[in-house]
Amino acid sequence: KQEVTQIPAALSVPEGENLVLNCSFTDSAIYNLQWFRQDPGKGLTSLLLIQSSQREQTSGRLNASLDKSSGRSTLYIAASQPGDSATYLCAGHGSSNTGKLIFGQGTTLQVKP
Amino acid sequence: KAGVTQTPRYLIKTRGQQVTLSCSPISGHRSVSWYQQTPGQGLQFLFEYFSETQRNKGNFPGRFSGRQFSNSRSEMNVSTLELGDSALYLCASSFGLGTGGTGELFFGEGSRLTVL
Repeated sequence: KQEVTQIPAALSVPEGENLVLNCSFTDSAIYNLQWFRQDPGKGLTSLLLIQSSQREQTSGRLNASLDKSSGRSTLYIAASQPGDSATYLCAGHGSSNTGKLIFGQGTTLQVKP
Repeated sequence: KAGVTQTPRYLIKTRGQQVTLSCSPISGHRSVSWYQQTPGQGLQFLFEYFSETQRNKGNFPGRFSGRQFSNSRSEMNVSTLELGDSALYLCASSFGLGTGGTGELFFGEGSRLTVL
């Protein structure tokens, strides 16, 4: 059974810091991997999708990588801003391009001005 | 381009009642998935519909059911509500398998259900 672990569970940093969020899977046989952001009481916003044939994706100050051999993904946030404060979730597609994602518990980030 | 729309956004029910939640996917998306989010269990997959057929199902009791219409809109129903059903119910849409899509899921704002 696929399980996803995100480390750390919570993180508080001063504005401007570069930071790394970690995500690991018990079963390295994942298909796609997606990173999301969730603000309190809101839905999920898709940040980055790493497709099965890819190892990395970048969008603005965000960079996500996926190492399937080790079952690990990292989300790098450069020059953090208070507006980045949110919960970040990683999720994997188990075996194919379906709507079933296995989610981690998330990392709650607070960026202090 | 309109995103995923979920209605109602908030609702309060009592134990034993039933509830129906609605989800309108992004135009062109044929796959709709439902998730339950609670503080204790996090995000858990309920089921997925593609072209009006249930394609995947999570580990939830039969009180949780869903359907999808020909226009890809989907509804989920929870019967005989229990206190533990209080949660944020999220709907996600994607192009779906075999359609040439990337597999990226897009979520709505959710329906917040409170069971008293």
